[in-house]
Amino acid sequence: GAVVSQHPSWVICKSGTSVKIECRSLDFQATTMFWYRQFPKQSLMLMATSNEGSKATYEQGVEKDKFLINHASLTLSTLTVTSAHPEDSSFYICSAPDAPAGTQYFGPGTRLTVL
Amino acid sequence: AQSVTQPDIHITVSEGASLELRCNYSYGATPYLFWYVQSPGQGLQLLLKYFSGDTLVQGIKGFEAEFKRSQSSFNLRKPSVHWSDAAEYFCAVCQTSYDKVIFGPGTSLSVIP
Repeated sequence: GAVVSQHPSWVICKSGTSVKIECRSLDFQATTMFWYRQFPKQSLMLMATSNEGSKATYEQGVEKDKFLINHASLTLSTLTVTSAHPEDSSFYICSAPDAPAGTQYFGPGTRLTVL
Repeated sequence: AQSVTQPDIHITVSEGASLELRCNYSYGATPYLFWYVQSPGQGLQLLLKYFSGDTLVQGIKGFEAEFKRSQSSFNLRKPSVHWSDAAEYFCAVCQTSYDKVIFGPGTSLSVIP
């Protein structure tokens, strides 16, 4: 079946650096993708909606200048955490709807640790 | 706005016992409903989903859930729990199958031998 991949699966970076996370839809096209964040022992919270060919839509409280989203193609969305700080350490998960199939697929997640 | 509540933060059951995890949602129309399971440090696994039709939905790993419109509930059940079922369980809702997903706070399940 359709799969959504994320790369990398985990990353450790120094405070102040930027980190890019990729989300790819395999075998289907996704004009929309969603980015979620999950802090330890908490639920998943929607960060933003990534729209192919247009600007992302951010949820209230999410800094758009810090979390840059680029949906450059119908199969790829990237989330860049700029000037990362330890409080940005989290599990980032993307999802992509397969509209013709009427379902949505989640990626395996990317664990970010900022030292 | 859509919201999902899971009243039980943590549940402990004995292996072989039955299980019911509660989920209530708030939404004007009938939403798309899901149950996901997440093991520590892992991603999400879809257990089952409800869109329409039969209100009793069968999922993987022996789980089932029943949609009750009058109670705005979508409780997850399993007749006999296995030790490997210990994990975090999330109830979730969305407006359509391709809309953003709203997750409940989760219920942590522990299984004792």
